[in-house]
Amino acid sequence: GAGVSQSPSNKVTEKGKDVELRCDPISGHTALYWYRQSLGQGLEFLIYFQGNSAPDKSGLPSDRFSAERTGGSVSTLTIQRTQQEDSAVYLCASSLAGLAVNSNQPQHFGDGTRLSIL
Amino acid sequence: LAKTTQPISMDSYEGQEVNITCSHNNIATNDYITWYQQFPSQGPRFIIQGYKTKVTNEVASLFIPADRKSSTLSLPRVSLSDTAVYYCLPRAGSYQLTFGKGTKLSVIP
Repeated sequence: GAGVSQSPSNKVTEKGKDVELRCDPISGHTALYWYRQSLGQGLEFLIYFQGNSAPDKSGLPSDRFSAERTGGSVSTLTIQRTQQEDSAVYLCASSLAGLAVNSNQPQHFGDGTRLSIL
Repeated sequence: LAKTTQPISMDSYEGQEVNITCSHNNIATNDYITWYQQFPSQGPRFIIQGYKTKVTNEVASLFIPADRKSSTLSLPRVSLSDTAVYYCLPRAGSYQLTFGKGTKLSVIP
C-alpha cells in the first residue's frame, strides 16, 4: 500500500505565526513518531503515539509544540508562535506495532515537511 | 537512553566493500539493532535489523558480536547510488528513540 504521507512538503511562514504539519501513516500501523532534523544534523525525537495516546512527550522542545492523533490514524504537529530556530525538516514515521518490550518493528518514514521561518 | 557512536564520514571507491561500525554500550537485553539509510531530501529508509551474530538480506549484512555492544553494517560492492547517511538505532528500551548524526558515506567513481 501507500507509504507514510506528509503535508505540506514545504512550508514558509513568518516568525510568530502558527503552523500545522500533517502526517498520514501507513494503514494499520498503530505507532506513530515525530522527529525534527536540522540541516546536517541527525534526527531529534519529538513525540511517540501508540494509538491515539502519547506515552512520551518529553522530546517536545517547548510548550509551543503540541501534537495530536485522531482515530488511530492521522496526526497533526502544531507549532505556535513560530521562531526562526524552529526551521527544520519535520519527519513522521509509523510502525506496525509500538514500543512494547518485545516489539522491534522498523519504522517507515515519510519524506518530511521542510519548515522555513522568515 | 542508549547512546550510539558512529564515524561521522567515510569515503569509498565504487565496487569496494564498506563496513560501518556503530557502538551502543548500554543496549538493553531485548533490543534489536536497526540500520537506516537516508538520501538527501528523503526520510530514512529501513535497511536491515538483527539481534545477534549475522543477518544478511539482498542489500546488506549486519554483524553483531556476542556482547552486542557494537554492530557492523557491511555493504558489498558499493555503487554511486549508495552515497547516503547511514544511522544505527538500538532501541532505547524506553519510548525515546535516539538517532545519532549517522555516518555520511561518499562513494567515489
